[in-house]
Amino acid sequence: IAGITQAPTSQILAAGRRMTLRCTQDMRHNAMYWYRQDLGLGLRLIHYSNTAGTTGKGEVPDGYSVSRANTDDFPLTLASAVPSQTSVYFCASSDSKASGRAGELFFGEGSRLTVL
Amino acid sequence: GDSVTQMEGPVTLSEEAFLTINCTYTATGYPSLFWYVQYPGEGLQLLLKATKADDKGSNKGFEATYRKETTSFHLEKGSVQVSDSAVYFCALRRSGGSNYKLTFGKGTLLTVNP
Repeated sequence: IAGITQAPTSQILAAGRRMTLRCTQDMRHNAMYWYRQDLGLGLRLIHYSNTAGTTGKGEVPDGYSVSRANTDDFPLTLASAVPSQTSVYFCASSDSKASGRAGELFFGEGSRLTVL
Repeated sequence: GDSVTQMEGPVTLSEEAFLTINCTYTATGYPSLFWYVQYPGEGLQLLLKATKADDKGSNKGFEATYRKETTSFHLEKGSVQVSDSAVYFCALRRSGGSNYKLTFGKGTLLTVNP
């Protein structure tokens, strides 16, 4: 059972470099999300996608971009990394069209990113 | 905007103690409410949920009741175990429309000692 797979699990990156965090799900969920988790701040939504071909901005979108070319993949790109983007990044998905299941998110195990 | 406020941790308990983690929310309408749990080194997992006022969500001995009058969704467990040590997140989803996003609280770290 795979669920959501994130890669890499950990990465150290020099400031100014471009980085893409990968996220793949095998549950055919329509909605996908990227959150960042920081101590004392909890989880904050970066970007989301309600369905393939559409994306939207979350609470903290600046410096990040996403694409949703198909149902399964939802990569997050940092065009030019800065130290404040040091965080743990979680990808999640949900089958929001299933009756009574909206809001039930399935999370990956996270990608720990350090920007120096 | 929507917001979720949880009691600040960390919370440290002895095994078999009673647990309460307070959660209150601000949202328009009738949101759905959730508790998620994050075990060390893992992603979040749904623990329980409630979708309307007075609903009680329960799972693994944990319970939470959706109180509309006090805008609260406090998490309780009668007897905690060492294996319950984790970070607990309260969350809400606004009702209606195509808004599938969750708003999370900041999380409460629970440590249970033997």
